[in-house]
Amino acid sequence: EAQVTQNPRYLITVTGKKLTVTCSQNMNHEYMSWYRQDPGLGLRQIYYSMNVEVTDKGDVPEGYKVSRKEKRNFPLILESPSPNQTSLYFCASSLGPPIAGRGTYEQYFGPGTRLTVT
Amino acid sequence: AQSVTQLDSHVSVSEGTPVLLRCNYSSSYSPSLFWYVQHPNKGLQLLLKYTSAATLVKGINGFEAEFKKSETSFHLTKPSAHMSDAAEYFCVVIQGGKLIFGQGTELSVKP
Repeated sequence: EAQVTQNPRYLITVTGKKLTVTCSQNMNHEYMSWYRQDPGLGLRQIYYSMNVEVTDKGDVPEGYKVSRKEKRNFPLILESPSPNQTSLYFCASSLGPPIAGRGTYEQYFGPGTRLTVT
Repeated sequence: AQSVTQLDSHVSVSEGTPVLLRCNYSSSYSPSLFWYVQHPNKGLQLLLKYTSAATLVKGINGFEAEFKKSETSFHLTKPSAHMSDAAEYFCVVIQGGKLIFGQGTELSVKP
């Protein structure tokens, strides 16, 4: 089954304790991205990756790191989590980046990771 | 810059009645617009998309949306709500090679 998987699905941690949220897709997609979802704000992009070893900042990258060593995996790293990073996180993938027009690629989203930092 | 505004944070309907979720967009050129649905504890699923073809777009599960340039709107409709339609809905536009999400509309369906 074509899918995007994330682990863990739920995580409660303490301030400053490094954590990694994994994301994996089995569709051979080039483009992957991370979003955070907060009430009343919709989803905001954290980081994205056009391909292996190519990553760039989204709208809210502060406090996050990513890596893309393999095409299928795109982990999100919080080196020193803080309470304002408590959120619902989504990984997404697609054949290519979102480009306006008829050929735009559909984004496939993972199930989400609910992170609480105390 | 492109953006979308969802006009209602919460909409409540009775089962079997029509659904209307409102979205206005801001764009300096012809946009690509989407509606996504998020069921509780699930990821986002694409309902439908508008990419400069037909202005009336049909999606999955009986939903459709009409692109109205004169009103800068892309409202989502369904003739008859079902209990399984209860979810959060996002209007989305593409800008600068990324998705820009609206604030979301929570749809409740009463029996």
